[in-house]
Amino acid sequence: AQSVTQLDSQVPVFEEAPVELRCNYSSSVSVYLFWYVQYPNQGLQLLLKYLSGSTLVESINGFEAEFNKSQTSFHLRKPSVHISDTAEYFCAVSDSNDYKLSFGAGTTVTVRA
Amino acid sequence: GAGVSQTPSNKVTEKGKYVELRCDPISGHTALYWYRQSLGQGPEFLIYFQGTGAADDSGLPNDRFFAVRPEGSVSTLKIQRTERGDSAVYLCASSSNPSISGELFFGEGSRLTVL
Repeated sequence: AQSVTQLDSQVPVFEEAPVELRCNYSSSVSVYLFWYVQYPNQGLQLLLKYLSGSTLVESINGFEAEFNKSQTSFHLRKPSVHISDTAEYFCAVSDSNDYKLSFGAGTTVTVRA
Repeated sequence: GAGVSQTPSNKVTEKGKYVELRCDPISGHTALYWYRQSLGQGPEFLIYFQGTGAADDSGLPNDRFFAVRPEGSVSTLKIQRTERGDSAVYLCASSSNPSISGELFFGEGSRLTVL
């Protein structure tokens, strides 16, 4: 099973500032990569995913993540955050064609005005 | 409803008691998963159903835990002789075809507290 490391447990950031959440995983075999977000009092929901093709993937609300195979990383970025981006973000990995996701411990992003 | 529904949302029980947690997946989703999220950690895989059968129960921590999905839709996670260490949020997720899209749809979870 994959091991996923999210290097930052808490990230405070001011509104309209950029943010980067780091994610590294353990294996360089073929993988699927995901970022899930959990807003306060809500369930986990998919933010974006990498299955194949372009290594840069984007979400509809301005987040992007880049798959770096050599560094086994899938860092999440947003150039300008909003108050509504306050949430907990989880990186998840599965071996390709496997149904099991391995999650990181999560990064709590708190956006302040 | 349109999403994954879990009941109860909160359950407080005493050590040694029996607990059932229910999951109603998205209609038509054949795959169903249970995960457990302890405080300060990410979700950890417990069990995966494809249809009515448990295709992979390798994440169940011990034989006090088991889950059923008798008609291929609703699933129940059952915990016998609960212990304080079982306290966590139990998450259910469903998907239509896990090997292709990889996207799981999660419920809001059932928070279990064992006193």
